[in-house]
Amino acid sequence: DQQVKQNSPSLSVQEGRISILNCDYTNSMFDYFLWYKKYPAEGPTFLISISSIKDKNEDGRFTVFLNKSAKHLSLHIVPSQPGDSAVYFCAASAGFGNEKLTFGTGTRLTIIP
Amino acid sequence: SAVISQKPSRDICQRGTSLTIQCQVDSQVTMMFWYRQQPGQSLTLIATANQGSEATYESGFVIDKFPISRPNLTFSTLTVSNMSPEDSSIYLCSMGGGSTQYFGPGTRLTVL
Repeated sequence: DQQVKQNSPSLSVQEGRISILNCDYTNSMFDYFLWYKKYPAEGPTFLISISSIKDKNEDGRFTVFLNKSAKHLSLHIVPSQPGDSAVYFCAASAGFGNEKLTFGTGTRLTIIP
Repeated sequence: SAVISQKPSRDICQRGTSLTIQCQVDSQVTMMFWYRQQPGQSLTLIATANQGSEATYESGFVIDKFPISRPNLTFSTLTVSNMSPEDSSIYLCSMGGGSTQYFGPGTRLTVL
């Protein structure tokens, strides 16, 4: 039972353009959604999160959008840079008192110079 | 952000042996988590480790195979017992709350 899904295993984007990574979930109890970037042989790096009471959160080049009715979130990276090439995971938790994360399957983003 | 370290960073082990992975955080935290990432897969939670109580294991993971210690608020260990090649994975510890969770650098385990 995959509660968090990333349907695109890979994505290629030209440097300077916008990268959009998508994530869908099925569990309506999820309260927080997090995005991570991961390089091989390293732990995931936390990028940005959003609470279920919001529909948008921005941090520099990263913006996360949440559509609760559609159970869908997306991460926008603009402008995309070569250093953004990595695997991106979305994750969800049911909030305080139940902080364990359920991860999606990941999307490999490649930025083309 | 938190500083989390893990030891060892990688190891190659023989089938049937055990390996203990250490996780140290730079601040006191109530909950620590242990995850596994098998080759080509996503991250899967093994267990939640609270200081002063037994770890809570996820479906498919048992204490005899993955015993966890949590002696204080900044340290935890995960042991992978009686290893088989299927245990070859990256093992990660993490800490944090609902909106932010930080991960250690991981321990890459190869079982021959």
